Amino acid sequence: EAQVTQNPRYLITVTGKKLTVTCSQNMNHEYMSWYRQDPGLGLRQIYYSMNVEVTDKGDVPEGYKVSRKEKRNFPLILESPSPNQTSLYFCASSPPGTPGRLGYTFGSGTRLTVV
Amino acid sequence: AQSVTQPDIHITVSEGASLELRCNYSYGATPYLFWYVQSPGQGLQLLLKYFSGDTLVQGIKGFEAEFKRSQSSFNLRKPSVHWSDAAEYFCAVGRNDMRFGAGTRLTVKP
Repeated sequence: EAQVTQNPRYLITVTGKKLTVTCSQNMNHEYMSWYRQDPGLGLRQIYYSMNVEVTDKGDVPEGYKVSRKEKRNFPLILESPSPNQTSLYFCASSPPGTPGRLGYTFGSGTRLTVV
Repeated sequence: AQSVTQPDIHITVSEGASLELRCNYSYGATPYLFWYVQSPGQGLQLLLKYFSGDTLVQGIKGFEAEFKRSQSSFNLRKPSVHWSDAAEYFCAVGRNDMRFGAGTRLTVKP
């Protein structure tokens, strides 16, 4: 089944403890992106990647890192999480060609709570 | 600057009634336009998209949307709402840099 898989689905952590949220897609998509969703703000883009080893900042990149060493994986790294990073996170990917033209496929989300 | 506005935070309609969800955008060029639906606890599912051609686009689940360049709008419509349509709906605009609106939560009354 074609899908974007995020892990974990739920995570509670403490301030300052490094964590990684994994994202993997099995559709050979070149474009991948991370969003966070907060009430009243919709989805805001954190980082995106046009292809392997090519990443760029979105609207809210502060406090996050990403890497794209393989086409299928696009992990989101929080080096020192803070409570304001408590949010619902989505990974998305898009088929080859002009990114976004055919829409995104989203993962099921990761609900992160930082205490 | 690019932006997407969904003016209605919450809409309630009766089952069987018609629905229109509004979306206005600001974008430098002709953007790609999308509507997504998010059911509680789920990810986002693509309802429909527009990038060129006929300005009235059909999507899944009986939804349609009309692109009006002069009004910078891309409103979502459905002639007869079903209880299962209750969800949050997001308008999205862009190309590499997809921007999402804040969402409109739809409640369906029996």
